[in-house]
Amino acid sequence: EVQLVESGGGLVQPGRSLRLSCTASGFTFGDSSMSWFRQAPGKGLDWVGFVRSKAYGGTTEYAASVKGRFTISRDDSKSIAYLQMNSLKTEDTAVYYCTRTQRRADYWGQGTLVTVSS
Amino acid sequence: DVVMTQTPLSLSVTPGQPASISCKSSQSLLYSDGKTYLCWYLQKPGQSPQLLIYEVSSRFSGVPDRFSGSGSGTDFTLKISRVEAEDVGVYYCMQPIHLPYTFGQGTKLEIK
Repeated sequence: EVQLVESGGGLVQPGRSLRLSCTASGFTFGDSSMSWFRQAPGKGLDWVGFVRSKAYGGTTEYAASVKGRFTISRDDSKSIAYLQMNSLKTEDTAVYYCTRTQRRADYWGQGTLVTVSS
Repeated sequence: DVVMTQTPLSLSVTPGQPASISCKSSQSLLYSDGKTYLCWYLQKPGQSPQLLIYEVSSRFSGVPDRFSGSGSGTDFTLKISRVEAEDVGVYYCMQPIHLPYTFGQGTKLEIK
């Protein structure tokens, strides 16, 4: 059974940093691209970015709103994807989801809430 | 960015009746591999989104066959043949080929 479990969310002040983790099981993590999405309270879904599998260079892509502030990485030995969020803004407040992505985001975690507020 | 436009934004359907949601993209979703990539998701109240349909018309594992997807190029449709109470929630279309990936605004389905 595929499982994705996000962790690391919480309350953080504007300008500070936070790192989210996504622990995966039930599939060959190293063969999969992994994405992060987010959903602000009462709003729709937004793509944050993804990291490709090592077979495709392990490279990353980001939404313009987070580029230069957020970094996605992966540890295939632990089956974990990370979302490092720096210089957080109040508009980054959202539930963050990780997904397995192969031209579709097929499995989603339960999400972790990040609240950016002073 | 590719703009995804869903209509209607809300639906109220009697159980057992059909429902249909349209999604239009501002650019073609036909990829160089010959496939067209368009996904449909359902986010039930208080839950994470779940994949219903991928590549326009392929049902994801475990999705009931009352859900079907169709379309090509820039025009796509999700149909529910007979709505059930468990189908309530917000439906989103998403394009996963042009960066950034983008979603429609969402269509809220309620039961009459």
